Order: sequence, then structure tokens, then C-alpha cells
Amino acid sequence: AQTVTQSQPEMSVQEAETVTLSCTYDTSENNYYLFWYKQPPSRQMILVIRQEAYKQQNATENRFSVNFQKAAKSFSLKISDSQLGDTAMYFCAFMKLTVGQNFVFGPGTRLSVLP
Amino acid sequence: SAVISQKPSRDICQRGTSLTIQCQVDSQVTMMFWYRQQPGQSLTLIATANQGSEATYESGFVIDKFPISRPNLTFSTLTVSNMSPEDSSIYLCSVLRGGTEAFFGQGTRLTVV
Repeated sequence: AQTVTQSQPEMSVQEAETVTLSCTYDTSENNYYLFWYKQPPSRQMILVIRQEAYKQQNATENRFSVNFQKAAKSFSLKISDSQLGDTAMYFCAFMKLTVGQNFVFGPGTRLSVLP
Repeated sequence: SAVISQKPSRDICQRGTSLTIQCQVDSQVTMMFWYRQQPGQSLTLIATANQGSEATYESGFVIDKFPISRPNLTFSTLTVSNMSPEDSSIYLCSVLRGGTEAFFGQGTRLTVV
């Protein structure tokens, strides 16, 4: 079974600064996807960024980028130029590419962006 | 992106009663997923709902407690039966688009008193 670990229950960052959220996972699969989802107080889950395991190049999406280390099973999220609207719970998620695919979510990191 | 309408957005229910949560998607999807998010916790998959077949439940979740309907490719319901305070959670429905991108409803915040 797959597991996803986020070792930082809470983090804070000053507005305009950079913060990195950690995620590690455990799997015996070779083909899979990794995701970061954001859940603001509105409860809506929002996709932040996605990484295909077969791609060595790290995904980027505007101010969001990942550091994907497949051998180490590490998938950290870097948020640059943090904004107040980035305040949310951030969940790292794993999805294997097989029939009945579903997500395994990490426990989440609560990020607070301070003015 | 997918538009998912989930309702009710919140409810307060008496223990022993049941609540049915509805999820409507703006286009046809093969699989719909139901998650539970207990207070301060992550998301846990309850079951996968396929149109025309029985839902597939994850370990720890049973059909008698969480019956699911999937009458067509755009709609599903999850019922939380015989509720107790331990069922107080956020319940979310989700669909996959393009095989890998998950979209979520707005969630239903359930409080059982």
C-alpha cells in the first residue's frame, strides 16, 4: 500500500518570501502521479501542481514549483513570492496508474502567510 | 476543468438519523469518488462509485453505513446512515478528468448532535 507523509503540520512565511513544504511517499509502483492540492478555508480542494513520475523535469506552475526526487521518494513544493491568498492547508497526494486508481493523501501542512 | 455541484454545503443532524449528500457533475464521468475529511485530518476515500454497478468500498467503510447511488454518469449520492457524533466530518465528492486530474465538490460539513 502507498503512504504519503508530510512532516510539517504547520508552517508560516512572511508575505513575498519563499517557503518549501515537504512530502515523502512510499510505493513499489514505477508509474504514478504526484500532486499538491490546496484547501483554503472555503473547503474547496484546488489543484496546485502535478508531476508525472516518468518525467525527470520538475513541474512548475507560475510561483509554484516542485523538487521531485524519485529515488528518494521525495516531492517538495516551493512557493515563491508568497501571497496572503496562499494561506491554506496543503495536501500532497499520490495516484498510481492502474485500474481503480485513486488518491492517497498526506496529512496536510497548514500554511499561514503573514502580512 | 469540471464543475461539481455538491449539496447540502452543511447540515446539523440528530444522532440516529440519515443524511443524503448529492453530487452533480457538469459532464459525464465514469468514476466518482466519495471522501471523508474528519476535523483537522486529511482526506480518506470512502468508496468509488461506477455507473451501473455496485460501489467499491475501502477498508473500514461498509455499504450499510454509507450507501451510494450512481443512477447516471453525471450524478451520485452518498447517504450517511444512523449517524453518531463520530460521523461529524466534511464529505467530498470527486471526479477524474483526463485520467489523472481530480476535481472536487465544495464539500458538505456535517455536524451530528
